[in-house]
Amino acid sequence: RKEVEQDPGPFNVPEGATVAFNCTYSNSASQSFFWYRQDCRKEPKLLMSVYSSGNEDGRFTAQLNRASQYISLLIRDSKLSDSATYLCVVFMGAGTALIFGKGTTLSVSS
Amino acid sequence: GAVVSQHPSRVICKSGTSVKIECRSLDFQATTMFWYRQFPKQSLMLMATSNEGSKATYEQGVEKDKFLINHASLTLSTLTVTSAHPEDSSFYICSVGKWREGETQYFGPGTRLLVL
Repeated sequence: RKEVEQDPGPFNVPEGATVAFNCTYSNSASQSFFWYRQDCRKEPKLLMSVYSSGNEDGRFTAQLNRASQYISLLIRDSKLSDSATYLCVVFMGAGTALIFGKGTTLSVSS
Repeated sequence: GAVVSQHPSRVICKSGTSVKIECRSLDFQATTMFWYRQFPKQSLMLMATSNEGSKATYEQGVEKDKFLINHASLTLSTLTVTSAHPEDSSFYICSVGKWREGETQYFGPGTRLLVL
């Protein structure tokens, strides 16, 4: 079983749509969770951290369910510029490397 | 945050040659740096953890004699791909570990290697 699993997509949505990505992780000792965004042929960049209480950053909402080891990302009012690959990332603690999911590809069209 | 640079950004080489990739932490003294590799449509896979002043720790399946890592200073780690083959063609990304509250890792812009 992979440590971090995501639906690879692609998700093809029109502008203005709401889209949700899901992710599961296997290690219950995981400490922190993130969503990263990666554009084609570029390095990944931090989009937002994920907390159990849920957190929102503009059109983006992230949620963590530790009991079910499930992470989600909701994007509202999709923009063309949201087209990218979204990586679910798990962190085991200081001194360790981030563990990446395979990524979910989003394509927003006009 | 942290600013991380990599050089070169892309390199094309002949099979059998060695390629050195530099990763620099420009505004932070990094005791730990990480090297990842990403093949097309695949996730980032950790290759090794580079600790300043000590030997790197390699992930299972990564040949330490083929991928030489040197972390001689707090701001520079190098990855040398020795005797490169076409299957080594990939996107190599380094990152700096920074574990103050609310921070994790910061990534370099990556190096795209093509071995002919």
